[in-house]
Amino acid sequence: AQKITQTQPGMFVQEKEAVTLDCTYDTSDQSYGLFWYKQPSSGEMIFLIYQGSYDEQNATEGRYSLNFQKARKSANLVISASQLGDSAMYFCAMREGWQNRDDKIIFGKGTRLHILP
Amino acid sequence: NAGVTQTPKFQVLKTGQSMTLQCAQDMNHEYMSWYRQDPGMGLRLIHYSVGAGITDQGEVPNGYNVSRSTTEDFPLRLLSAAPSQTSVYFCASSWTGEDGYTFGSGTRLTVV
Repeated sequence: AQKITQTQPGMFVQEKEAVTLDCTYDTSDQSYGLFWYKQPSSGEMIFLIYQGSYDEQNATEGRYSLNFQKARKSANLVISASQLGDSAMYFCAMREGWQNRDDKIIFGKGTRLHILP
Repeated sequence: NAGVTQTPKFQVLKTGQSMTLQCAQDMNHEYMSWYRQDPGMGLRLIHYSVGAGITDQGEVPNGYNVSRSTTEDFPLRLLSAAPSQTSVYFCASSWTGEDGYTFGSGTRLTVV
């Protein structure tokens, strides 16, 4: 079974609209972390936002917020007021195993976001 | 502060050749990993390390070896390159279990 599932291979959104990128995860660990990364066409990996499994509030970083629904094992990324520069590939990732020194981060397959002018 | 440095940036190999992809970080990070990125597959974990002297296999370890003799370096070895290993390879590191990874700029490898 996939650890990280991103069901939207591609999305087209009008500039200035809000965007929600879906991510569901699967783990039996009690302590884990969820991340979102952005990969523009230049190929670099850019860290956007982090949510710990015990964090009660949803993480926010500027225009990015993470809609964390623990019971549903969902960690959607919300981008408010989208900009042309947001066009990129977005990856959801989960970190687990750090309590037993089997620490690793697993990535989903990504969602390619296109912002339309 | 260079962050995570990967070398080379580009490489073409012939089938059966061997090579080592270098990864070095200067942030004293304990955790380091190697990923490969293929179209439509996202980033898949090859090998990872939680500290010097400790390595483990990830999702797609076959055909690759690693070692972690120092905190700073985590080289990835291809012993006998195959066309299926054509990919972009990323090395990444982090300080604690609750941090995201800092990524290198990647190595684009083509095996012909």
